[in-house]
This record gives sequence, structure tokens and C-alpha cells, in this order.
Amino acid sequence: QLVLTQSPSASASLGASVKLTCTLSSGHSSYAIAWHQQQPEKGPRYLMKLNNDGSHSKGGGIPDRFSGSSSGAERYLTISSLQSEDEADYYCQTWGTGILVFGGGTKLTVL
Amino acid sequence: QLQLQESGPGLVKPSETLSLTCTVSGGSISSSNYYWGWIRQPPGKGLEWIGSIYYSGSTYYNPSLKSRVTISVDTSKNQFSLKLNSVTAADTAVYYCARLISYYYGSGSYFRWFDPWGQGTLVTVSS
Repeated sequence: QLVLTQSPSASASLGASVKLTCTLSSGHSSYAIAWHQQQPEKGPRYLMKLNNDGSHSKGGGIPDRFSGSSSGAERYLTISSLQSEDEADYYCQTWGTGILVFGGGTKLTVL
Repeated sequence: QLQLQESGPGLVKPSETLSLTCTVSGGSISSSNYYWGWIRQPPGKGLEWIGSIYYSGSTYYNPSLKSRVTISVDTSKNQFSLKLNSVTAADTAVYYCARLISYYYGSGSYFRWFDPWGQGTLVTVSS
């Protein structure tokens, strides 16, 4: 079964960096994922598509502070030089054979 | 710039049918390589994919909702629609529509992702 696992919460200080993790279920470690950001009281926004080799392509207008990387079944979203507007929920998403799956989301708090 | 806008009743009674429409502007719903999808988010919870449709009418549905969901497309109006029947309070959520972009790897393998998203509309199921 295709499942994406995310930690429920993360925190980091203003100006620092944070690395969020999305883990693919067993047997699906080669899958690409997409990262989406949802700021408070807003609809989600696409951030990037991330391949299993770590290559990624960002959506329009996404700052360079956002980057992606991969290792095995893990897909990472790194946000550097954290700003207050980065406080949001972050969801990973993938596509299987005829099915689309979201991770449970990580709530990022900027201290 | 492509934009999507959800519309429909904000209040639905239990056991009735929830009906929403997504209007696409700034681009054609009949473009190749794009499906169109519905996603929902119960209050305080995460995102759940409902289903997606191609302009030809080809659909994919979330297995957990498939028995109650119908997604249709009207290319003449550049719209696609969601019907969810036999609703209960558990169907109360913000409903989003979005474009589903396809990338073909070859050998029949695709990756698909949502971009952009609509702003969402809250539907409450209550008598």
C-alpha cells in the first residue's frame, strides 16, 4: 500500500534552516513526490516536484530558500533563512497506479 | 495565469447530495497532459484526494469514496463538477479543486501533481 509518512510538527528559529521529511512506504522508494505549502487560513500552494535522485523543479515564484533532496525512501524539503511567512503546514503528495496520496502534513512553527 | 474557483451550496443536509462546480479561467480545460481534481480538508485535519477527471471524461477516484462520488466535466463551460451522495457530518470540509499535471516517464509510468489550487469552499453537513 502506498503511504507517505510525515512528522506532525517541526520548529526552528527565525533566520535558521529546517529540514522536513516525507517517507515513502516499503516498495515505493523510487517514487517522486510533490511538496505543497498551506499557510494559515489559505489554500495549498505547490512548491516543487522532487525525484528519487534528488533533482527537483519548483513552481513559479517559489524562493530559492526552498530546496529538495532525496535519500532512499526519504524525501526532504529544506527551508533556509526562515521567515515568519514560512510558518505553515507542509504536505507531501505522490501518485501511484490510478491513486493519489497525501502525507499527513507537518506543521512548521517559526520561533 | 490559470485560476480555479469552486462554487456551490455551503450547507447540505445529512443523507443528501453535495454538489460543487469548479470554473477554470485563464486556460482551457481541454488541454492535454492535464487532469482536474477535487481534494477536501476536514476542519483541523489534513488533505484527502477525492478524485480526478480528464477532459475526455476519464476518471480516477479515491477507493475510500468511490461508491459515493461522481466527477464530471463540461468542456463547453470550462468547468468540472463533484457530486458526493449520502453525506454525513464526516463530509464537512473545505473542498478544493485543482489542476493535476502529468509527467510521463515512459513505459506507461506517470507522475502527477496538483498545481494550481483553487481557494477552497467550506461545505457543512448539518440539518
